[in-house]
Amino acid sequence: GAVVSQHPSWVICKSGTSVKIECRSLDFQATTMFWYRQFPKQSLMLMATSNEGSKATYEQGVEKDKFLINHASLTLSTLTVTSAHPEDSSFYICSAQDRASNQPQHFGDGTRLSIL
Amino acid sequence: SQQGEEDPQALSIQEGENATMNCSYKTSINNLQWYRQNSGRGLVHLILIRSNEREKHSGRLRVTLDTSKKSSSLLITASRAADTASYFCATDDNNDMRFGAGTRLTVKP
Repeated sequence: GAVVSQHPSWVICKSGTSVKIECRSLDFQATTMFWYRQFPKQSLMLMATSNEGSKATYEQGVEKDKFLINHASLTLSTLTVTSAHPEDSSFYICSAQDRASNQPQHFGDGTRLSIL
Repeated sequence: SQQGEEDPQALSIQEGENATMNCSYKTSINNLQWYRQNSGRGLVHLILIRSNEREKHSGRLRVTLDTSKKSSSLLITASRAADTASYFCATDDNNDMRFGAGTRLTVKP
């Protein structure tokens, strides 16, 4: 089945640091990638949608300058949390989809981000 | 923003029993999907049901969809301790997917 690799799985860093999270589709071409944020015992909240080669579309309330998304190839998207602060601590999950094949989204295993 | 509401929020059953989770949504959809999430992990796709389908089976899973009531249910039969996880429904409207709040299922051995 389709595999999406997300890295790192866990990161702890100091306040003010920028953190980059990678999302790779390993065995299919992802025309679209999604980034979600999940707080404990809550659902996934869509942050942004990115199509390969174009700018990401951010959901209302998500700061595009804070959460930089790059989708430079059909197999890689990155989310950079810039100047992270404790309130950015969360579980971030990416998913990838090949819309041309009408397949469902396939999810990475998530990244737990803790900002001290 | 979230689309669906799931109930119950939490469900605890004994191994071997059936578990039923419900999902309601608000807008028109192309399809509805159910996902499973183990604690601290990503989501695993379980089953997709299209808007013109009423019922779908996959192993011990049975999903129903009632578009007139804007609701869906997920039934897990003969539950196992390994089924313990959170289950989310997600609606897909023109590739804009929204997740429900989820049901936390605990299956006691």
